[in-house]
Order: sequence, then structure tokens, then C-alpha cells
Amino acid sequence: DSGVTQTPKHLITATGQRVTLRCSPRSGDLSVYWYQQSLDQGLQFLIQYYNGEERAKGNILERFSAQQFPDLHSELNLSSLELGDSALYFCASSVTWQPYNEQFFGPGTRLTVL
Amino acid sequence: SQELEQSPQSLIVQEGKNLTINCTSSKTLYGLYWYKQKYGEGLIFLMMLQKGGEEKSHEKITAKLDEKKQQSSLHITASQPSHAGIYLCGADIYTSGNTGKLIFGQGTTLQVKP
Repeated sequence: DSGVTQTPKHLITATGQRVTLRCSPRSGDLSVYWYQQSLDQGLQFLIQYYNGEERAKGNILERFSAQQFPDLHSELNLSSLELGDSALYFCASSVTWQPYNEQFFGPGTRLTVL
Repeated sequence: SQELEQSPQSLIVQEGKNLTINCTSSKTLYGLYWYKQKYGEGLIFLMMLQKGGEEKSHEKITAKLDEKKQQSSLHITASQPSHAGIYLCGADIYTSGNTGKLIFGQGTTLQVKP
């Protein structure tokens, strides 16, 4: 158990819908990262937050947004869902935003868009 | 092309045999991370190697970072069925405004036959 929690574990929804994925980082970690894992693209970085502020953006679609709340939990919002958004979404956390920090991953949320 | 190339893509070994997985970067590495993943599950942190030719071991797994070659290798000695899974290398590749976000290789699937 990495100490990072994600809910829900599974999510099945229809195209055009909107969903929210939730992540609670390890106790003491201020930085949260979101990653998407799909068969064709592999594991890709989406976005990073540090202590409530957006720190870095990766291959995140405009239909996706995220935020980190004062209690440090984070939410990833996915809207106007398409079939291609079906993937495993991981949250990871680390102590700081800087390099050379171990990132611990949550168990993931499996999103299926029908 | 991938910024991080892993080889081989898949590996089947007999229990008790040694094996090596390689991860090569096309860019300067600032931290190399190895994770293990069971299919459809979260990533388990194995080791982090910092810039500078570091080598680390944990139980029967040894990882090395060759900064000149911009390559890391993961070596498993006397493999066991419990070593089976997908091994992913992640790297902190230098970009301006480095943030600690990770780029991942495509993964190496390891099967260990009893």
C-alpha cells in the first residue's frame, strides 16, 4: 500500500458525459501528479499540482481539468467524454515538486467510456 | 519516437534464471525510476537512481545508471514467479523549469515459468 488513495476504482460511463476522479496523497506529500495509462499511448503525464498551485502540464486535453484543494486532495475532471478516453488514470504524490523525489502511485481509476 | 526506450518489450524466463531489462534515454537524465506493475493495477516503486552513475540493490533486484550512455539497467538474479509483471522505467528528463514530472518507457512484460 503506497498510501495514495484513489476513488472510484472503476467508472463506466457514456460518451459525452462528465466524471470526476479523486485522489488523496500520502500524508505529508504536497505534490500531486496525474497520469493516464492506455494500451496505445502507454503511461503519460497529464498535470502536476504543488500545494494547491498548478506546477506543470503535460499531454492534457482541454476537456480535462484538475485542481488541488487546501486539504491537498486532488480531483481530475473529464468532460465531453470520448471512447478514446477509456484508460487507467493514476494519481501519484511526492513530498515536493522538484526532481529526485520518489513518486508513489495510487491504485488507479479504470475509466470505461461506452 | 519514444524519449525512453525499454528493451526487451517482453521476456519469458525459467525460474532461477537471471535477466536484465534496459532503459535508454534520448535526452539527458536527471533521475531514473523503476516501477513494477501487475496488469491493471497500480505501480509499485522499486528504486530511484540519481544522476551520477549510481547503483542500488533491493533483495534480488539491482539497478544501475550509466549517465554517459544515458541508460539504466535492471537486473534480477535467480528470478522467481513473484517477479512476474510489467517493469516500467520513468525518467526525469531535463527541460526548462524542471518539475519532477516523469516520462515513462513503454514497459517490459516479464513472465517467469516455474
